[in-house]
Amino acid sequence: DVKVTQSSRYLVKRTGEKVFLECVQDMDHENMFWYRQDPGLGLRLIYFSYDVKMKEKGDIPEGYSVSREKKERFSLILESASTSQTSMYLCASRPIASPLHFGNGTRLTVT
Amino acid sequence: GESVGLHLPTLSVQEGDNSIINCAYSNSASDYFIWYKQESGKGPQFIIDIRSNMDKRQGQRVTVLLNKTVKHLSLQIAATQPGDSAVYFCAESTGGGADGLTFGKGTHLIIQP
Repeated sequence: DVKVTQSSRYLVKRTGEKVFLECVQDMDHENMFWYRQDPGLGLRLIYFSYDVKMKEKGDIPEGYSVSREKKERFSLILESASTSQTSMYLCASRPIASPLHFGNGTRLTVT
Repeated sequence: GESVGLHLPTLSVQEGDNSIINCAYSNSASDYFIWYKQESGKGPQFIIDIRSNMDKRQGQRVTVLLNKTVKHLSLQIAATQPGDSAVYFCAESTGGGADGLTFGKGTHLIIQP
């Protein structure tokens, strides 16, 4: 079974802090994704990566950056957290042209 | 912009009945569609997918129907069980699934005993 692991289930940070959300997958998948999920808005794509050291902006990249130094790990970085970034963050991975496999999410609260 | 949406935010069905969850999409270039199930406190879980060269695909207790003429996708769950209670998302993609997914906003399926 594919396992996508997000390092934290719950996180509370202060406005202005730099925040790192970590995601690791164990199936050697090429593609990795970060989404945020908000009530009434569904899942929105922040950033994705097709391979190591590659990154592409999704639909809502503002205020975020990513890092993919190793194939199995994809990190989402909030450079200066704001209250508008309070959300559920979902990481996903997949082989090329296959369904996404999601982690269980990190619920981030920015106060 | 083009988007994928769902007709109803909540669907309530009796245990044992069949459930039908609908999804409309507007991107005529979409050629790959997926249904996900998300239970409380968990990430979305893949249920079934279908490519645009098909109009029906069956899995275990689930069937996905694709009507490209009216850009409509549906998920049918047979003999709905309490464990089926979740939010269901449709998602669509171009490039045969190689491109990113666009998700609908979800339908909450509630099972009545």
